[in-house]
Amino acid sequence: DAGVTQSPTHLIKTRGQQVTLRCSPISGHKSVSWYQQVLGQGPQFIFQYYEKEERGRGNFPDRFSARQFPNYSSELNVNALLLGDSALYLCASSTIFRTAYGYTFGSGTRLTVV
Amino acid sequence: SQELEQSPQSLIVQEGKNLTINCTSSKTLYGLYWYKQKYGEGLIFLMMLQKGGEEKSHEKITAKLDEKKQQSSLHITASQPSHAGIYLCGALNTGTASKLTFGTGTRLQVTL
Repeated sequence: DAGVTQSPTHLIKTRGQQVTLRCSPISGHKSVSWYQQVLGQGPQFIFQYYEKEERGRGNFPDRFSARQFPNYSSELNVNALLLGDSALYLCASSTIFRTAYGYTFGSGTRLTVV
Repeated sequence: SQELEQSPQSLIVQEGKNLTINCTSSKTLYGLYWYKQKYGEGLIFLMMLQKGGEEKSHEKITAKLDEKKQQSSLHITASQPSHAGIYLCGALNTGTASKLTFGTGTRLQVTL
């Protein structure tokens, strides 16, 4: 079975631009969560979606938004990019959302803002 | 909000040596997860602990959750180069969302 797939793997953007990151969960997984990992730190929770509804949002500005599609894939959008948005963005999928047991992480998208 | 502190921040050990990584929480832990991350890659699930006093082992890695459920340790016996990476502990915060709060990680290098 395919794992959690994220695309693109790397990208470089200029300050002020907008970016869309994509995540395809494991087949049968209905929950998708997004995390931001700045170099040298642990991942920080951004969003969780379950059954296409937002179930949680971390302490991130409104420039960050996400959505989940009927096939349970998800997109993370970041507007008006800042240098500080440079990070590894991780997506995790699971079958249910009240536990992290079974969380499977993708390999991430490395975003560099210049 | 819950905070997790990991120690040490980095560790260099000789192959074959044992090592311990600690994770201390500012609040009671209701679910503690250990992950391993190769540089710049995704997180690989190692173990989950829920009950105070619980201990789990997988191959040469053992994790414990103390009785008071505010500290966990990860012990590696007879380290190998394949153990190198970043070890992260994560605490589950349930509510309307299940989110993990992570520690800052411990970078492990294993020398030959």
